[in-house]
Amino acid sequence: DIVMTQTPLSSPVTLGQPASISCRSSQSLVHSDGNTYLSWLQQRPGQPPRLLIYKIFNRFSGVPDRFSGSGAGTDFTLKISRVEAEDVGVYYCMQGTQFPRTFGQGTKVEIK
Amino acid sequence: EVQLVESGGGLVKPGGSLRLSCEASGFTFSNYSMNWVRQAPGKGLEWVSSISSSSSYIYYADSVKGRFTLSRDNAKNSLYLQMNSLRAEDTAVYYCARDGPRECPNGVCYSPWAFDIWGQGTMVTVSS
Repeated sequence: DIVMTQTPLSSPVTLGQPASISCRSSQSLVHSDGNTYLSWLQQRPGQPPRLLIYKIFNRFSGVPDRFSGSGAGTDFTLKISRVEAEDVGVYYCMQGTQFPRTFGQGTKVEIK
Repeated sequence: EVQLVESGGGLVKPGGSLRLSCEASGFTFSNYSMNWVRQAPGKGLEWVSSISSSSSYIYYADSVKGRFTLSRDNAKNSLYLQMNSLRAEDTAVYYCARDGPRECPNGVCYSPWAFDIWGQGTMVTVSS
């Protein structure tokens, strides 16, 4: 199974400041079709998860452009350019390259 | 509105059974692979099972293989998870999630193997 490791596990951020979350996979997420199936989800308190980013850097419909994804191979990053109060929650990376699908442990973003 | 609504959760004794349902609306259900993801209280997300659009391919997490059965009825826009031999460690909120968003370059559609639409979840508690 592919293990997804996120750092940090907790990220206290000042409003208006940037935040960055790293996700590392135990093996390359490049699929045999050439695509890399790495996505990011946000889970606000008491809510189901919500898709933010798919295939490394593609923003899902309705996601603000302050969220961006980057990376390749085994190392990926989610960045929030300027954290807003509504961004509080837990962020997960997920790989869809092979079964079983696996998630990172989650990174809690909170306001300082 | 694109929507997934789960039902069927509840309290069950160890060794018991439950059948979860997920009803889809607002999109062509038969075009999409579907998934179940669970979240134990205070814990992270765990993928449970996936089924392709025509039920040709079904995958399970090792933790549920042999105990859970995933199926779908495209005529009813519904996804089902039959859960048998339930254990305390199966206690979780179970989410139904759609594979997407589909990308259709040149008229041929592909999944980005992400989970783009999620239901609100249904709670399963396994306890004596």
